[in-house]
Amino acid sequence: NAGVTQTPKFQVLKTGQSMTLQCAQDMNHNSMYWYRQDPGMGLRLIYYSASEGTTDKGEVPNGYNVSRLNKREFSLRLESAAPSQTSVYFCASSGDRIGSNQPQHFGDGTRLSIL
Amino acid sequence: QKEVEQDPGPLSVPEGAIVSLNCTYSNSAFQYFMWYRQYSRKGPELLMYTYSSGNKEDGRFTAQVDKSSKYISLFIRDSQPSDSATYLCAMSVSNFGNEKLTFGTGTRLTIIP
Repeated sequence: NAGVTQTPKFQVLKTGQSMTLQCAQDMNHNSMYWYRQDPGMGLRLIYYSASEGTTDKGEVPNGYNVSRLNKREFSLRLESAAPSQTSVYFCASSGDRIGSNQPQHFGDGTRLSIL
Repeated sequence: QKEVEQDPGPLSVPEGAIVSLNCTYSNSAFQYFMWYRQYSRKGPELLMYTYSSGNKEDGRFTAQVDKSSKYISLFIRDSQPSDSATYLCAMSVSNFGNEKLTFGTGTRLTIIP
């Protein structure tokens, strides 16, 4: 059982380049999330998708776009990368049923450097 | 002021010691409290999930919530080198599977053999 799979694991971009980070989950979860993790800042929510066909902004959405391609896949796009977007990006998913106690499960991250 | 405050450490303790990790929060609407463990170059993995005030025990780990003081703790008994990781607290208002989590910045813990 793979859980949450993120690709690529590492990427170096030049300022102004574009890139899409991919995320797929095999747990039949309804909700998916994109976070960034920076030293001293913790995990901050960029965008989330409560269910297939819906997306909403999180705490730090500027400079990013997302697509919920289907129930399994949720991609994050940087249209014009900036050095401030250098970070570790995590995808998470949750909610395979109606009801309580459904914590988020995380992938192992994409380490992105913008030069 | 951040909604969730967590001492970043680093914290180093000898093997076998009891470890106490803590978070404070300001939003009284938080009702669900989680501790995640994150090994280097890995994603966070859920360690403990609790609701409301009180204690929850799972093996060597005990999560404690004091909503009146807006304070949560994670205790690790008989600490092992394999417990060396960054520990993140997280909280949410709801738990219906699509909740947004608010995280602490994480405490980096090292257990010295």
